[in-house]
This record gives sequence, C-alpha cells and structure tokens, in this order.
Amino acid sequence: EVQLVESGGGLVQPGTSLRLSCAASGFNFDEYAMHWVRQAPGKGLEWVSGISGNSGTIAYVDSVRGRFIISRDNAKNSLYLQMNSLRVEDMAFYYCAKGVFGGYDSNGYYQDYFYMDVWGKGTTVTVSS
Amino acid sequence: QSVLTQPPSVSAAAGQKVIISCSGSSSNIGNSYVSWYQQFPGTAPKLLIYDNNKRPSGIPDRFSGSKSGTSATLDITGLQTGDEADYFCGTWDSSLSSGVFGGGTKLTVL
Repeated sequence: EVQLVESGGGLVQPGTSLRLSCAASGFNFDEYAMHWVRQAPGKGLEWVSGISGNSGTIAYVDSVRGRFIISRDNAKNSLYLQMNSLRVEDMAFYYCAKGVFGGYDSNGYYQDYFYMDVWGKGTTVTVSS
Repeated sequence: QSVLTQPPSVSAAAGQKVIISCSGSSSNIGNSYVSWYQQFPGTAPKLLIYDNNKRPSGIPDRFSGSKSGTSATLDITGLQTGDEADYFCGTWDSSLSSGVFGGGTKLTVL
C-alpha cells in the first residue's frame, strides 16, 4: 500500500524555523516527483514546492522562495521541507504528496504535467507569538 | 485571489449532473495539463482527474474532465449525496514557474 506520513509540525514563533518530514512507503520513491501543498484553516489548497525524483528539478511558490528549502533522501524514502523565517501567513496544514512534476511525452517533447496522486494526512504548522 | 478561477459553490439535485468550471490563462491551463481533486472536510484531497481527462484507477466514470483553450471543466453525473465535497482544479503556471490551484468549489447535492 502506498503511504505518506508527515511529521515535524508544531507551534513556533514568527521568524523561527521548522523542518517537516514525509516518510514514504509502498512505491519506488526515487522514481516519482514529490510535492508539498498547504491549506490554511478554512481556505483552499496552495502548492508550496515540488522536487523531481532525482532532485534535478525544484520549484517553489513565490511566497516561500528564498525561505523554504525542499529536499529528499531517496535512500531513506523521505521528503523534507526546511521552513525558515516563518511568518504568520505560513500557518497551515501541510500535505506531502506523490505525483508528477513535468516530464516528456511519447514524442520526446517536454510537457508541464502536474498532479498529485497520493496524499499524506498532513501536519499542522502554527505560527504565532 | 487564486490564479485559477472556480465558482465558490454549485448545487444540483441527486441523480442530476453538475459542471464545475476552472478558468485560467495561456500561461497555465492554456499550455499545461489540468488535474481535479475532491476533498471532504477534515481529510486530505483525493485525485479525481489528471492530464485533463484521465481517471485514476478506482474513480467512477461519473467523474469526467475536459479542457478547451484556457478553461477546464469537471463533470459529475448521477449525483449522489456522498459527492458533497470541495473540488479543486490545479495545473502548472509557466510564467510563475509554480503549481497553482483554483479557489475551490463547494458542491451541494439537493
């Protein structure tokens, strides 16, 4: 069974750091892109960051670029999100998701494929003084 | 303000059909693939449609997706009370170099 389990969430003060982890199992982790998606209370989904299977392609939403760092350890089947300089507006439920993040079609052309097919249950990040 | 625009809510009677729209631009829907997600309160989203119109294994064919130009739609036929949920569209935006979602649509089955 494909499973993603997030951890590392908690209550922190503005300006501090937090590191989220996501443990993956049930699939060949290094063959898939991974994403972090967040959802503020009562709000919609916001894509935060994505990383390709070999970590060769990484992207961030503008609001976290320069503050958050996504990484993965394929030997440990784990995904991480280092969150620095946290702001009140970063407070949300953070989901780890397996998916697709770009790729080549059958003709060899690069396409902006983008989706998440398996999601973890999420972890809560609260930023408050 | 979401990059992709969805109606905040839609409703239809049980057994009927509903269409949820997702409007974007040439930098996102117009040049990328759209996915759709279903989310019940307090749970993680679930993938319903990927690559504009493909269904993952286990998703009933009552759910279908399509894309035309810079807009996409999710059609749900034979509505059931169990379909009451929030629905989100998502895609890649090449100008922003980031993924984007719609604001979400709350489906009510009357």
